[in-house]
Amino acid sequence: SQQGEEDPQALSIQEGENATMNCSYKTSINNLQWYRQNSGRGLVHLILIRSNEREKHSGRLRVTLDTSKKSSSLLITASRAADTASYFCATDDSGGGADGLTFGKGTHLIIQP
Amino acid sequence: AAGVIQSPRHLIKEKRETATLKCYPIPRHDTVYWYQQGPGQDPQFLISFYEKMQSDKGSIPDRFSAQQFSDYHSELNMSSLELGDSALYFCASSLSLTSVTGELFFGEGSRLTVL
Repeated sequence: SQQGEEDPQALSIQEGENATMNCSYKTSINNLQWYRQNSGRGLVHLILIRSNEREKHSGRLRVTLDTSKKSSSLLITASRAADTASYFCATDDSGGGADGLTFGKGTHLIIQP
Repeated sequence: AAGVIQSPRHLIKEKRETATLKCYPIPRHDTVYWYQQGPGQDPQFLISFYEKMQSDKGSIPDRFSAQQFSDYHSELNMSSLELGDSALYFCASSLSLTSVTGELFFGEGSRLTVL
């Protein structure tokens, strides 16, 4: 089954509001990462949280990780129209080696101006 | 700063034809990954190379093969193309951190359309 399931699948909010996206995964991980993708473009790394961390901040981004529940959340505060994009969580399982990241289904975020 | 370069950006092929995608990783990055992303889907891991050796294999069909060359660029070869192969193909590179996968740097992708 798919590692990294995001919810909601789509989210539409007003500019200035906060956006929260959730991700669940199934296996043990080394780290969990969040990526952003504008339509038809490449993925851009936003933030990485290690398995021994519980919370991390980067600018308007806040990521939490709960390894006991195998879940993570991404909070974007004070959203802007330019934040409109798809957001994916991706996990690096603890199998070792240069394994590929496993991506979730993604949340399509729309910021209404 | 130099990014991951992919070519071609767009490619149109007929069923049963072959296609080759190229990827030039960020200089000094030692690991290359290939991903396939269908319309509205999440990226699916295909294959990765570390220091020119195949490192991990994901859901890559037997009709596909890939390699990494001495200059670290990589090529994804796809044969007997099927309609379902139409997708965005991404290459990503990274600098390996022991056995942990860190941040991946993605190219802009190659859009393959099979008619």
